[in-house]
Amino acid sequence: DTEVTQTPKHLVMGMTNKKSLKCEQHMGHRAMYWYKQKAKKPPELMFVYSYEKLSINESVPSRFSPECPNSSLLNLHLHALQPEDSALYLCASSQDGGRARANEQYFGPGTRLTVT
Amino acid sequence: AQKITQTQPGMFVQEKEAVTLDCTYDTSDQSYGLFWYKQPSSGEMIFLIYQGSYDEQNATEGRYSLNFQKARKSANLVISASQLGDSAMYFCAMREAETSGSRLTFGEGTQLTVNP
Repeated sequence: DTEVTQTPKHLVMGMTNKKSLKCEQHMGHRAMYWYKQKAKKPPELMFVYSYEKLSINESVPSRFSPECPNSSLLNLHLHALQPEDSALYLCASSQDGGRARANEQYFGPGTRLTVT
Repeated sequence: AQKITQTQPGMFVQEKEAVTLDCTYDTSDQSYGLFWYKQPSSGEMIFLIYQGSYDEQNATEGRYSLNFQKARKSANLVISASQLGDSAMYFCAMREAETSGSRLTFGEGTQLTVNP
């Protein structure tokens, strides 16, 4: 089973709303990732959790707040977003956050976020 | 400087023919990994194939093979016997040994269209 699930699939929110994106994997992976992807561009890394600890924050604005309640779950809390934050948000997981052979990342289907 | 370069924004191929998608990379590390991902219009990033810098053999996975030329720093993806379902965006990515965790650097992508 190489499935990463994400909810919701689509989200429309106003600039004053608070919402959360959820990601789940049951592959026993110990590293999880959030990416932001604009149309026709490559994914941009936002956060990495390794063994449930935040290991990489790519200088993401504080209106994005990640949370890793356990090794299978990853949340992204959204507050006071801007229209330019509209994008596809992808979650991924890998065996661990180190430099093991391959350590390929498996991605979820993404959440298409629109900020109005 | 671009670390991953994909020079073909768009490629077209006839069904059942082979196609090569180009990828060149730039790194001073001796140990690194190269990945190819496929992204259909649905949005999910699908892991296709991995090549480690110390691997002597070119990686193959079914209809996908990676033409790895280390001295030229290229890692081209070859898709044999193209199918209509291969139409998608393809991203080349690299993980360098010196970066922490499993940060991937993606190229800009190549949009492949398979014609019937």
